[in-house]
Amino acid sequence: GAVVSQHPSWVICKSGTSVKIECRSLDFQATTMFWYRQFPKQSLMLMATSNEGSKATYEQGVEKDKFLINHASLTLSTLTVTSAHPEDSSFYICSARITGAGYEQYFGPGTRLTVT
Amino acid sequence: RKEVEQDPGPFNVPEGATVAFNCTYSNSASQSFFWYRQDCRKEPKLLMSVYSSGNEDGRFTAQLNRASQYISLLIRDSKLSDSATYLCVAPSGGGADGLTFGKGTHLIIQP
Repeated sequence: GAVVSQHPSWVICKSGTSVKIECRSLDFQATTMFWYRQFPKQSLMLMATSNEGSKATYEQGVEKDKFLINHASLTLSTLTVTSAHPEDSSFYICSARITGAGYEQYFGPGTRLTVT
Repeated sequence: RKEVEQDPGPFNVPEGATVAFNCTYSNSASQSFFWYRQDCRKEPKLLMSVYSSGNEDGRFTAQLNRASQYISLLIRDSKLSDSATYLCVAPSGGGADGLTFGKGTHLIIQP
């Protein structure tokens, strides 16, 4: 149980374009989902907390207009990287918390974004 | 921001040995902790949750020392497949829903 899928697995795009990443909880409802970014040999850094039906909460230093988050249902959150630049190239991982359960988060397989 | 500190290693350990590593946390209000395992270029996977003084699951034992604010992870009879980065995790606190991850301890089990 507690399976989270993420699509696409990897994407290469040109500078200036926008990329949408989907995160789905497959066998549970997730009122709260999280988006992380991880650079090589670095720890996971929380970008934002996504709550179903409300605006996302962004961490300090994360541009909300650049990283658009939509959590329209209890099983789907999307992250759109707008006007991507090479410095946005990273491993983006989402996680979901089972509604009504503890603090455990279950991670999707991640999306590797390369901006050329 | 509350921090979680870990020794990055790497820890090189022969197969079959017992290995332990610690993690310290600064948010004294945290009630629950987690150990995640992350393989290279993969997502973290939940290994253990620690809600009270400790937890044991097969070869893995996690212990929590609230007075000293550290959590330990003990791996007995280590296997080659245990080679990974182990992430110590605590709730971010301060009303936030998220988790604060340590930088991870890199473990290498040698044949």
